[in-house]
Amino acid sequence: EPEVTQTPSHQVTQMGQEVILRCVPISNHLYFYWYRQILGQKVEFLVSFYNNEISEKSEIFDDQFSVERPDGSNFTLKIRSTKLEDSAMYFCASLATGPEQYFGPGTRLTVT
Amino acid sequence: DQQVKQNSPSLSVQEGRISILNCDYTNSMFDYFLWYKKYPAEGPTFLISISSIKDKNEDGRFTVFLNKSAKHLSLHIVPSQPGDSAVYFCAASGYSGAGSYQLTFGKGTKLSVIP
Repeated sequence: EPEVTQTPSHQVTQMGQEVILRCVPISNHLYFYWYRQILGQKVEFLVSFYNNEISEKSEIFDDQFSVERPDGSNFTLKIRSTKLEDSAMYFCASLATGPEQYFGPGTRLTVT
Repeated sequence: DQQVKQNSPSLSVQEGRISILNCDYTNSMFDYFLWYKKYPAEGPTFLISISSIKDKNEDGRFTVFLNKSAKHLSLHIVPSQPGDSAVYFCAASGYSGAGSYQLTFGKGTKLSVIP
């Protein structure tokens, strides 16, 4: 069964460093998403991506964040200058025609 | 801004009995409701969904009921099995234009099924 994959599973970085989280969505899906879950809190929407552009973003998704689909299979989330409060699980999701989104296993980002 | 609320952080049920997980929402514009199951160190796994124009959807041991007037939905699992022990998230979706079906999640309910 096709699945969403994410790499790395765990990323440790120092405050102020740039990180890139990578996702390979399910191949025939058209909509791509990033969510995050800070420890003990709810899963929160960050950004949606459709037709090679951002379709919607939340207040969390500020200028420090960017997304890209560089080669038709990978979908990346970049955080330019990480802060301590960016420590969270980051989930990538993809969707074919809606509304069921399929999630990857997540990347645990630890900012020290 | 809690548009989707799961007021029970945890629930314990005996194996073989029914598990009922509840969810309330405030936004009338949501048009789909979904339940996800999550094990530790894994991503949420889609379980079942329901359109806002329906009041019940069933898939095997899982049934979701929607009461639009009360803005309430519930997930019934029967019979409950030890492998069902996980955190269950209620999520709501509304097409917000420009190709986005972003999900709004509740905080989750941790279900423990006791053998």
